[in-house]
Amino acid sequence: KNEVEQSPQNLTAQEGEFITINCSYSVGISALHWLQQHPGGGIVSLFMLSSGKKKHGRLIATINIQEKHSSLHITASHPRDSAVYICAVRRKTSYDKVIFGPGTSLSVIP
Amino acid sequence: EAGVTQFPSHSVIEKGQTVTLRCDPISGHDNLYWYRRVMGKEIKFLLHFVKESKQDESGMPNNRFLAERTGGTYSTLKVQPAELEDSGVYFCASSEGRTPYNEQFFGPGTRLTVL
Repeated sequence: KNEVEQSPQNLTAQEGEFITINCSYSVGISALHWLQQHPGGGIVSLFMLSSGKKKHGRLIATINIQEKHSSLHITASHPRDSAVYICAVRRKTSYDKVIFGPGTSLSVIP
Repeated sequence: EAGVTQFPSHSVIEKGQTVTLRCDPISGHDNLYWYRRVMGKEIKFLLHFVKESKQDESGMPNNRFLAERTGGTYSTLKVQPAELEDSGVYFCASSEGRTPYNEQFFGPGTRLTVL
């Protein structure tokens, strides 16, 4: 079993919908990343968080360290949000080595 | 300031050939990481340089892969000879420091296709 799991694997939404992508992990971590990868494109870091909540524009990321769970929310979704969203964690030890989740493929339809 | 750059963006080679991928980290970043994503799998760590030294190469799949970072600036990842299962996207990342909270900045990736 992978140390980082994401759900759902694939997600299709109508423009304007509120979207939630979940990430759960099984190891002790120092930080968690949410990354975005557009088709054919590179990886962009959206958030790095180790507690609480962060907000950037229409994106909100939360983390519950005790429950080993994080969520990425997108409000008022737009077709340009269509991408693969990847959750990645850094262990408390060996924190240089990032462990990636399988990604959630999001498609937002106009 | 320029971000992490990688070259080429896409490489198509035949099985048995050699390919060299290049990564230029953000200027001043001592830490450089290589990752790859093969078809249908999650992204996996390959190795980590601190300046010109290999800090951790536990993720390198086999001895057909050779990474170097001469002078502690850009890095190359050579695959020789390439096999079909090496196809995937190879990402490079860099970070300034080595605390758990130093963000890693990713490059655009090199898509390698071995035919």
